[in-house]
Parts: sequence; structure tokens; C-alpha cells
Amino acid sequence: QVQLVQSGTEVKKPGSSVKVSCKASAGTFNSYAVSWVRQAPGQGLEWMGGINPVFDTTEYAQKFQGRVTITADKSTSTAYMELNSLRSEDTAVYYCARAKGRFSILDHWGQGTLVSVS
Amino acid sequence: DIQMTQSPSSLSASMGDRVTITCRASQSISDYVNWYQQEPGKAPKLLIFVASNLQSGVPSRFSGSGSGTDFTLTISSLQPEDFATYYCQQSYVSPYTFGQGTKVEIK
Repeated sequence: QVQLVQSGTEVKKPGSSVKVSCKASAGTFNSYAVSWVRQAPGQGLEWMGGINPVFDTTEYAQKFQGRVTITADKSTSTAYMELNSLRSEDTAVYYCARAKGRFSILDHWGQGTLVSVS
Repeated sequence: DIQMTQSPSSLSASMGDRVTITCRASQSISDYVNWYQQEPGKAPKLLIFVASNLQSGVPSRFSGSGSGTDFTLTISSLQPEDFATYYCQQSYVSPYTFGQGTKVEIK
């Protein structure tokens, strides 16, 4: 059974950074990429970027380039998303998702992590 | 970035109704469209990938079609658990943008 378990709620000050973790079930990182998607309160979904642990490659949306870093620890099957220079507009639920077909077909999702910036 | 425009933004329907949601891309994206369902307070769930492929475990009342710029998601007979918000997403080119969502409500 595929599972992605994310870290808990974060409350941050503007200008600070947040790092959200996503632990995947065993074997996920051997064959799949992981993407990060966020959803502001009452809003739609926004793809931020992804990592393929098999090839150690990352891809980021231009909007977040320079402010987001996505990494993966293959030894613990955990992916991380770090977002810097936080502002109030970054308040959102952040999801990790297993991706098939590069970073874009998201077939299993984590439960989400609320990041509140104020 | 490719813009994905869904219509309608919301709709009211009754149990058993046939429901169609459309998604238009701002440029041709072949058949690189996926559809997701999101219930309130939950993570999205993949329904359809590459325009018409049903994700494992998804009921057959869901179907997808289209290519180029115009795509549809159809629910053949609406069930109580289908009242949710639906998103299309293009997987043609990064960034993999989503539509704004279509909320399906009970009439």
C-alpha cells in the first residue's frame, strides 16, 4: 500500500523559512518522482516542483525558482520541500504526491501540511 | 505558462444525473490532461490520466475525452460521494498547471 506521510502544521513569521517532510512507503523512491503542490485557503492547486530520486534531478516552477529547494533522502525514503523568504501569500496547505510520468501525473498524495505565515 | 480554463466553475446536479465538465488549454497539449477529485479537507485524488485513462480503483462512471485544447470529464450517473471539486491539469510542459476547479453541488 502506497503511503505518503507529511510533517505537521507550521506557523512561521514573514521572512523566515519552512521545511516540510514527506515520508514515502518503501520502494517509492526506486521508481517514482515526488512533486509538491500547494493550495492557498479557498483556492486551487499550484504545482511547485518535483524531484526524481532515481536520477537525482529536480524541476521547479519558474514562480518559485530561487526560493524553493526540494531534496530527497533515499536512505529514509523521505522528500523535503524548503521554502524561503516566507510571506503571507505563502499561507497554504502543502502536499507531496507520488508522480508517474515525469513530475506530473500525481497518483498518490500525502495528507497535506498547513503552513501559516503571519 | 499554459492556462487551463474549466467550465462551469460550479454546478448543481441531482443523484443519477449525467455531468460534464470541460477544460480548455491555452495552447495545444495533445492528450496530456489529468483529472482530479478533491473532497473538502482532503487531498486530491487522481481520476483520469492522459485524457482518457481511468486510474486504478476509480469507478467506471468516470470517463475522460479530448485532445488538442478541449477536454471533458464525464460522470455518467452522479453518486452521493461524487459531490466534490474537480480539477484538470496539463502534464504537457512544466509548470504543470491546474484549472481553477469545478465544484459539483447537490441540487
